[in-house]
This record gives sequence, structure tokens and C-alpha cells, in this order.
Amino acid sequence: DSGVTQTPKHLITATGQRVTLRCSPRSGDLSVYWYQQSLDQGLQFLIQYYNGEERAKGNILERFSAQQFPDLHSELNLSSLELGDSALYFCASSATGYSNQPQHFGDGTRLSIL
Amino acid sequence: GNSVTQMEGPVTLSEEAFLTINCTYTATGYPSLFWYVQYPGEGLQLLLKATKADDKGSNKGFEATYRKETTSFHLEKGSVQVSDSAVYFCALSDEADQGAQKLVFGQGTRLTINP
Repeated sequence: DSGVTQTPKHLITATGQRVTLRCSPRSGDLSVYWYQQSLDQGLQFLIQYYNGEERAKGNILERFSAQQFPDLHSELNLSSLELGDSALYFCASSATGYSNQPQHFGDGTRLSIL
Repeated sequence: GNSVTQMEGPVTLSEEAFLTINCTYTATGYPSLFWYVQYPGEGLQLLLKATKADDKGSNKGFEATYRKETTSFHLEKGSVQVSDSAVYFCALSDEADQGAQKLVFGQGTRLTINP
């Protein structure tokens, strides 16, 4: 058990819809990361938050947004969903966000767009 | 930009065989290097890490040495078990890359161990 909790485990929805994925980091970790895992793109970094502030952005679409709340949990919002958004979305956390610190991953949310 | 290249899979071995999964990287600065393992239906688990040149990371019989001169971080295990069957990812994190601590992953190598 990594200590990172993601909900829900599975989401099935239709094109054009909006969903919210939730992540609770390990106790004490200030930095949260979101990644997308798909068969064609592999594991891609989406966005990082540190102590409530956005730290870095990767290949995140404009239809996607995220935030980190004062209690340090994070949410990833995906809107105007397309078939190509079907993927496994992982949240990870680390203590302070330094590059030499490992990131600890949740079990992911599997998003299926019908 | 930074990148990680892993040996193509899938890899199939017999139990007790020697394992090597090759990983090479390109980085702007002096990255930290990681191996993660993903079992079916689960998230990624940190297997081992190395944060500077010549460091050796080790865990559960797996080892990898940070080789700056060859920009490599190959994963090895002397005697694999059926329970080692999983997908293995090599990754780097490099603050010189626009100050981000994001992980850049290789494409993953699927390992199957037969009894």
C-alpha cells in the first residue's frame, strides 16, 4: 500500500461529459502529480501541484484542469470528453517535490469513454 | 527534451534465469533515476533509485547502477522468480528541465517468468 488513495477506481461515461478524479496523497506529502497512461502514449506527465500551488504543467489538454486543496488532496477535472481520453489516470505524491525524491503512486482511475 | 529509452519487450525467461533490462537516458542536467514496477491491475511501485553518478540502487534482489559516461541505468537480477512477472518502467526526474520534478518514463518492458 503506497498510502496514495485514488477514487473512483473505474469510471464509465459518454463523449461530451465531464468527470472529476480525486486523489489523497500520502500523509505529510506536499506535492501531487497527475499522469495519464494509455497504450499509444505510454505514461505522460500532466500536472504537478505543491502545497496548493501549480508547480509544473506537462501534456495537459485545455479541457483538463486540476487543483490542490488546503487539506492537500487534489482533483483532476476532465471535460468535453472524447474517445481518446480513455486511459488510466494516476496520481502520485512526494514529500517536498525535489527531483531526487521518489514519487509514490496510487492504483489509478480507469476512465472509459463510450 | 529529456527522454528515456528502454529495451523493447516483451521479455520471457525461465525461473532462476538472469535478467537484464536495458535503459538509457537523455537529460539536460543531472537527473535522478528510478525503476518502477507495475503488477497487473495495480499502480506503479518504486523498485529502486539512484540520485548521482556511480550510485547503485538495490531492492528485492534487483540492482541498477547510474552510469553517467554511458547515460545508462540497466536493471539486473541474478535469479528471477515467477512473482517477478510484471511491467518495468525506467524513469528520470531532472530539475534542470524547466524546474519541474516530473517523471519522464520509458515505454515499459513486460516481463514474463515461466516456471
